[in-house]
Amino acid sequence: DIQMTQSPSSLSASVGDRVTITCRASQSTSNYLNWYQQKPGKAPKLLIYAASSLQSEVPSRFSGSGSGTDFTLTISSLQPEDFATYYCQQTYSIPRTFGQGTKVEI
Amino acid sequence: EVQVVESGGGLVQPGGSLRLSCAASGFTFSNYWMHWVRQAPGMGLVWVSRINSDGSSTSYADSVKGRFTISRDNAKNTLYLQMNSLRGEDTAVYHCARAPAPLKYAMDVWGQGTTVTVSS
Repeated sequence: DIQMTQSPSSLSASVGDRVTITCRASQSTSNYLNWYQQKPGKAPKLLIYAASSLQSEVPSRFSGSGSGTDFTLTISSLQPEDFATYYCQQTYSIPRTFGQGTKVEI
Repeated sequence: EVQVVESGGGLVQPGGSLRLSCAASGFTFSNYWMHWVRQAPGMGLVWVSRINSDGSSTSYADSVKGRFTISRDNAKNTLYLQMNSLRGEDTAVYHCARAPAPLKYAMDVWGQGTTVTVSS
């Protein structure tokens, strides 16, 4: 199984900050790497697929990069609605493993 | 509107069974792989199972293999998860999700989830 490790597990930031979350895979996932945002009590929302492709209707302040084993999610200017938990996920192989999550707090 | 809606959750005793359903609408259900993902209280997302578009191929997490069965009825636009021999650690919100191939199987449509509580 491919293990996904996110860092940090949580971070404190302010509106307007640039935020970077990293995700490392235990083996190469090519670019089969996705990022999701989840708010309390809500379903996850797809932000980025294929490592760097922005999902439809997702604001352009979100971006993804990386390939192989190391990936990054960047929020260029944090907005109040971005305070949430973010998960990476590999879809290169079964099981479709998720990272443990990164909680972005004020 | 493209959506999936889960149902069938509830309170069940350890060792019991439950069948979850996921009703799809607004898209051609038979064209998509589908997944179940669960989230225990206060915890992260955990992949449970997947099924291909025609139901001929399935996969499971080790933690549920032999106890859970995923299936689909493309005529009814519905995905199922039959859960047997339930344990306390199966307590979670269960989400179904669509995974289109052009998005490299990222899960682009999720339901709100149905809650399963395993307790005596």
